Amino acid sequence: TQLLEQSPQFLSIQEGENLTVYCNSSSVFSSLQWYRQEPGEGPVLLVTVVTGGEVKKLKRLTFQFGDARKDSSLHITAAQPGDTGLYLCAGAWGAQKLVFGQGTRLTINP
Amino acid sequence: DAGVIQSPRHEVTEMGQEVTLRCKPISGHNSLFWYRQTMMRGLELLIYFNNNVPIDDSGMPEDRFSAKMPNASFSTLKIQPSEPRDSAVYFCASSFRSGGHNEQFFGPGTRLTVL
Repeated sequence: TQLLEQSPQFLSIQEGENLTVYCNSSSVFSSLQWYRQEPGEGPVLLVTVVTGGEVKKLKRLTFQFGDARKDSSLHITAAQPGDTGLYLCAGAWGAQKLVFGQGTRLTINP
Repeated sequence: DAGVIQSPRHEVTEMGQEVTLRCKPISGHNSLFWYRQTMMRGLELLIYFNNNVPIDDSGMPEDRFSAKMPNASFSTLKIQPSEPRDSAVYFCASSFRSGGHNEQFFGPGTRLTVL
């Protein structure tokens, strides 16, 4: 049983479309992080959200932390082939220990 | 500035053999984490160290797994004896623990295949 459930697990869309991926849990986290991982590499941190209801933007990416700090979403506007990768959410208890979701494997087709 | 360095990048071994994975964290970082990634289970934390001291090893699957951090610039993860189900990508990550929500920097991983 995964503590963090990500959906969808796989998503393939055309360049220019919008998409949202979700990260859900029954646990409350002190913060939640989103990472992107490309083949043959380790995950790279995109953003950390800390406050319930917080929204952060990173260019075409918008991250939201749920009010109860149990869930999060990542929205990509006008997706580009360079957005292709594995997107991982990770919940934190305290400052250090992370638990990761299974990831959403995103493919953007030109 | 070099990131987290892991070696080897790929390891193929036979069941029963000892495997040692190595990690050099980013200079100045004081926390080090070992993770394992598989398709079935995703990315799992195995163990982490603060200031070279193991803090939480609850993710280490069995006694066959052991990790050491003899100094601030080096850590090893050892599997003895190895089994086919240990096949996975093993990541090392480091961070600077400052009391806030610390960013972890991951190495490129070691892909282990146990035949």
